[in-house]
Amino acid sequence: DVQLVESGGGFVQPGRSLRLSCAVSGFTFDDYAMHWVRQAPGKGLEWISGITWKSRTLGYADSVKGRFTISRDNTKNSLFLQMNSLRPEDTALYYCVKDRYQILAVPEDWGQGTLVTVSS
Amino acid sequence: QSVLTQPPSVSAAPGQKVTISCSGSGSNIGNNYVSWYQHLPGTAPTLLIYDANRRPSGIPDRFSGSKSGTSATLHITGVQTGDEADYYCGTWDANLNVGVFGGGTKLTVL
Repeated sequence: DVQLVESGGGFVQPGRSLRLSCAVSGFTFDDYAMHWVRQAPGKGLEWISGITWKSRTLGYADSVKGRFTISRDNTKNSLFLQMNSLRPEDTALYYCVKDRYQILAVPEDWGQGTLVTVSS
Repeated sequence: QSVLTQPPSVSAAPGQKVTISCSGSGSNIGNNYVSWYQHLPGTAPTLLIYDANRRPSGIPDRFSGSKSGTSATLHITGVQTGDEADYYCGTWDANLNVGVFGGGTKLTVL
């Protein structure tokens, strides 16, 4: 079974940084693109970043561009999201999501999420 | 404001059919895969439909999808109380080079 387990969330002050990790199992990690999607309290889903299978294409939503960096380590079956200059509006549940394909096209399998709270 | 437009809510009685629309543009729905997700409270979203009208294994055939031009529709037949959830459409926007979701539609089963 596909498993995606996020970690690294927590409470942080505005302007600080956090690094989210996603450990995957149950599939050949380097055959698929990956995404980060978040959901702020009371709001809908927001795609924030994606990375293709060989990391050749990276994508970012305007809301996080220049502050967040997505990366993956195919040798360790892990996906990461480095979040810098955090803002209160970044408070959300962050999901790690496996794509159905090698390209950024169909977010398919979702983890349970890790909660990030940005507040002073 | 979302790039993809969905109605905020729909409702149906058990056993009825419901449709949820998703309106976009030529740079997203018009030229890319469309997916639909079911999001039950307290759980991770589930992919219901991909490539506009294909179902992953394990998804009941009560759920189906269609696409015409820059709009897509999720169809649910024989609605059940367990279908009460938020439903999202999603796709890739080639102009913005980002993934996009609709604002979500809350299905209430009366």
